[in-house]
Amino acid sequence: DQQVKQNSPSLSVQEGRISILNCDYTNSMFDYFLWYKKYPAEGPTFLISISSIKDKNEDGRFTVFLNKSAKHLSLHIVPSQPGDSAVYFCAERSNYKLTFGKGTLLTVNP
Amino acid sequence: ETGVTQTPRHLVMGMTNKKSLKCEQHLGHNAMYWYKQSAKKPLELMFVYNFKEQTENNSVPSRFSPECPNSSHLFLHLHTLQPEDSALYLCASSQEQGQETQYFGPGTRLLVL
Repeated sequence: DQQVKQNSPSLSVQEGRISILNCDYTNSMFDYFLWYKKYPAEGPTFLISISSIKDKNEDGRFTVFLNKSAKHLSLHIVPSQPGDSAVYFCAERSNYKLTFGKGTLLTVNP
Repeated sequence: ETGVTQTPRHLVMGMTNKKSLKCEQHLGHNAMYWYKQSAKKPLELMFVYNFKEQTENNSVPSRFSPECPNSSHLFLHLHTLQPEDSALYLCASSQEQGQETQYFGPGTRLLVL
C-alpha cells in the first residue's frame, strides 16, 4: 500500500487563482515533508519543505500546510501563473530516505 | 557544467545487451542516489551512496549493478534486463545522505525490447 498518496492525478486552474495540491500519508514517523516540481524532460526540483513540528511554511507564492491529525498536507500556490504548470510531487522523509507520491499534473491556463 | 547531469538521455536496449547509465554531479555533494520511475508509479529509491560507500539497496534485482568510483560520479550497469524495467531512471545528489534537499538530474529514459 502506498505510504504517500496524491489522489488527484491532475488539476487545472485559471491564471491568478489559487492552486491547491493535496497529499495524504500513512507514516507518522517522518521528520520532513517536501514538495518537488517537475517539468517535462527535466528532473524534479525542490520547491518547499515543512518540518514535522510545524503546521505551516511559506515561501513567496507557495505555502505548505501540515495537518498531522488528519495525516494530510497541502501546497497552496497563489496567485497561480502559467509557468507553474508542471507535475508536483510530495515526498516524505523518514529514516533519511525520501518516499514520493505519484504526482499531480497542474495546468495553469492563461 | 553545473548541477547533476545524466547520460545518455534516452536508451533502447535488447534483453541480452549490457549498457551503463552515467551520472555526474558538480555540486560538491557526498551522497548520490538512483531512483526509478515507472509509468503511473511513484519514484522508487533504488540505491544510495554516501561518501562512495553503498548504504542502501532497496531490494533491487542483481541485473542492476551500481558503481560509485568517487563522490562526483555514479553509474548504473545494466545487463539482461526485462521489458518491465523500461522506465525513467533518475540520479540525485545531496550534501550528505538524508538531507531533505536532493538535486535531480534530467533522467535517462530506458526502453527494453
